[in-house]
Amino acid sequence: GAVVSQHPSWVICKSGTSVKIECRSLDFQATTMFWYRQFPKQSLMLMATSNEGSKATYEQGVEKDKFLINHASLTLSTLTVTSAHPEDSSFYICSARDLTDSRASYEQYFGPGTRLTVT
Amino acid sequence: RKEVEQDPGPFNVPEGATVAFNCTYSNSASQSFFWYRQDCRKEPKLLMSVYSSGNEDGRFTAQLNRASQYISLLIRDSKLSDSATYLCVVNTRTNAGKSTFGDGTTLTVKP
Repeated sequence: GAVVSQHPSWVICKSGTSVKIECRSLDFQATTMFWYRQFPKQSLMLMATSNEGSKATYEQGVEKDKFLINHASLTLSTLTVTSAHPEDSSFYICSARDLTDSRASYEQYFGPGTRLTVT
Repeated sequence: RKEVEQDPGPFNVPEGATVAFNCTYSNSASQSFFWYRQDCRKEPKLLMSVYSSGNEDGRFTAQLNRASQYISLLIRDSKLSDSATYLCVVNTRTNAGKSTFGDGTTLTVKP
């Protein structure tokens, strides 16, 4: 199956700093990548949809100036958490869809996630 | 009301038991349906897609009832390794391919 990587897998940073998370589709091209956040014992919450070559679409309640998304190529999307605070500590997961997947099933391939801890 | 609702769980069952999870969705325009498995502190992994005709993969059987907007997952002969959180996921083709996740049902299989 398709492989999606994320980097870093975990990061600890001080309050006020910015953190960049990379999401890469390793063996396929992804026009669309999704960024999720998951707090302990909760389900995944979609933060934004990242479209290659255009601005990301943010879900209601997600601050676009705080969570900067760039999708500059068909294999890479980045999420930057700006001026991170302890409440931003969470598990951030990206997923991608295969451009060549003509099935109607819209299967998504998930990255392994990035665990962010802000102290 | 949530778009995708799952049994709240948790389910604690002995090895060898049969366990069923239920999921309902509210958007009648939903097109595709999945069960994902998520282990603690890991990303979700696709367990199986769900089709109207029903589908089976070894000990796992998934069913879809479009009329009732209901999805189920049956696990037979539970193994310790089945312990995980099971996520019901629904896609609507017109929604830019976005997926809607249920809150998940946690299963613990005990020896």
